[in-house]
Order: sequence, then C-alpha cells, then structure tokens
Amino acid sequence: QQPVQSPQAVILREGEDAVINCSSSKALYSVHWYRQKHGEAPVFLMILLKGGEQKGHDKISASFNEKKQQSSLYLTASQLSYSGTYFCGSHSGNTPLVFGKGTRLSVIA
Amino acid sequence: KAGVTQTPRYLIKTRGQQVTLSCSPISGHRSVSWYQQTPGQGLQFLFEYFSETQRNKGNFPGRFSGRQFSNSRSEMNVSTLELGDSALYLCASSLWGPSGGSSYNSPLHFGNGTRLTVT
Repeated sequence: QQPVQSPQAVILREGEDAVINCSSSKALYSVHWYRQKHGEAPVFLMILLKGGEQKGHDKISASFNEKKQQSSLYLTASQLSYSGTYFCGSHSGNTPLVFGKGTRLSVIA
Repeated sequence: KAGVTQTPRYLIKTRGQQVTLSCSPISGHRSVSWYQQTPGQGLQFLFEYFSETQRNKGNFPGRFSGRQFSNSRSEMNVSTLELGDSALYLCASSLWGPSGGSSYNSPLHFGNGTRLTVT
C-alpha cells in the first residue's frame, strides 16, 4: 500500500525550514527518502530503519516513529538547491519499496 | 563506477505495438527494480528481480512483463501498448543479498529512465 505524503507541495524562501511527512497504514521495517530534480533521476537521501536513530544529511534530517508508522523529513535553512520533489518509500517485510506520490518543494530567493 | 544505464532514453510507439526497455545495473548490484512514473501518481512499482528471479510484482496488467539475465541486466516488455502506458519508466539497482544487506536497508540507485510516448 502506497504511503501518504503531506504536504503535496510547499514553497519556501531561502533560509526557511520545512517538514515533509510520510505515513503508512502498514507496519514498517524501513523508510527511504529520495529527491528528484526536474528532468533527473531520483537520488537517495537516507534510510531510516526500525529501531534506528534519527538520520542526518547536511541540513536535512529525518525521524522514524515506528509505533505511529510515520516518518518526517526536516529541511533546515533551505537553499535553492533543495528544490525538487521528495519521495518517501516504505518497506514492510518482504515487500518491495513502495513510494508515496511525492512532495514538490520550491525554494525561492 | 558507472551508474545505472537505461536504453533507449526516448521511445515513441503507436497503440497496439510492443516495446522492450533495457537496464544495466551498477556493477556488482544483483537487484533490479522497475517503476513507472506519471504526473500525479508518483513512482508506481512494477517488478523487482534478484538473481534472475522475480521477487515481487506490482499491480499492473499482464501486458507488462520483465526478466533478469545472469549478468543482472534486466529488460521489461510492454505488449499491446495503450495510450495510458505513456510514462517515464525508471530502473533502479541495489546491492543486497547475503553480502550486501537486505532489501529494506539497501538504497536504490536509479537510472535516468526511458520516456515512452504512445500515440
């Protein structure tokens, strides 16, 4: 089952923060986050594992709440280069990685 | 290391025809997954292969099929094309298995995709 992402789209000014949420109706083993810039392939950001710690990648970090079957991606002090569509992908047992519909993030000067 | 290579980059086909798309994974990667990307629907899972075996299949009609070869290269085929099949088809490889972790903790590395247009 496809995880649900929110918001669908967000516009930020440089330096502002954003949170993208991802929730699933199924128990999760892991959550993946990817970013896709226009006309390019999705690029891996990070994986959060069941029982694992919050991950960080420069000024982008994420958390994983196993009980609530939710993950959140935090973008701090956004830069123009953060613009793109962010996808969360969820793994439940021996299932393939299933992606949400994406959150389009636009950072403006 | 070379990345995931997908060929061709663009295809234009007519309704009713069939098409074959090719994917060469990163060297050493034994798992290949295929996704269909359309505006508004995100990335829809098609197939997942590991060591020439289909591990999972998405909710797509039987017109969509795939296979993986002994060198881990993969192909997907769509027969009797319909207008709704127009999409970007993405292939991704990952390193998982006995020496490379498990599927749920292995990042996917995507190719640039094949843009299929059905007229």
